[in-house]
Amino acid sequence: SQQGEEDPQALSIQEGENATMNCSYKTSINNLQWYRQNSGRGLVHLILIRSNEREKHSGRLRVTLDTSKKSSSLLITASRAADTASYFCALDTGGFKTIFGAGTRLFVKA
Amino acid sequence: DTEVTQTPKHLVMGMTNKKSLKCEQHMGHRAMYWYKQKAKKPPELMFVYSYEKLSINESVPSRFSPECPNSSLLNLHLHALQPEDSALYLCASSQEGTGTEAFFGQGTRLTVV
Repeated sequence: SQQGEEDPQALSIQEGENATMNCSYKTSINNLQWYRQNSGRGLVHLILIRSNEREKHSGRLRVTLDTSKKSSSLLITASRAADTASYFCALDTGGFKTIFGAGTRLFVKA
Repeated sequence: DTEVTQTPKHLVMGMTNKKSLKCEQHMGHRAMYWYKQKAKKPPELMFVYSYEKLSINESVPSRFSPECPNSSLLNLHLHALQPEDSALYLCASSQEGTGTEAFFGQGTRLTVV
């Protein structure tokens, strides 16, 4: 399957802690994106990292990409209750086709 | 305006009904997408329109019929659906293809009875 695999499937942490989620994939990619989804609503784009980039930051988010290991990680620092959501990696395989990973459900306890 | 608007938000339909889902964006995006999402699963790509032409159909059953009347609108016509088609249907748009940020609507929660 080309689908990205994410781990953990679910993560529960205290407010203020860091949350790390990982995405592994098998196909070649042009870019990798991360999206957030709040309880069955639309997805919100968080960050895009290109295949020739290794690390990218946006506010409290840090994304890494290792194309040799075909893996990416999303780190959310100093988490807040409002960060509770599902997080998906999305693989850009070229053209208009984006394949989503299975997702990590994050629960941040206040 | 960075919104993708989907209507209706909720839809219940019988297996013999015909209904349509609508999606609208005014960001000048040239690519528009339909995704299907089952509970606790990732979105699955159904169709992609590029410059108002269908460029990807992910082997979707013919009971789902997409339409792109103009560059701002995307419809999904539904006919003779099955209960297993119940899901969240998401519309998205992007400036170009992959490599650019996609903007998603809030989805239509479809229940087939």
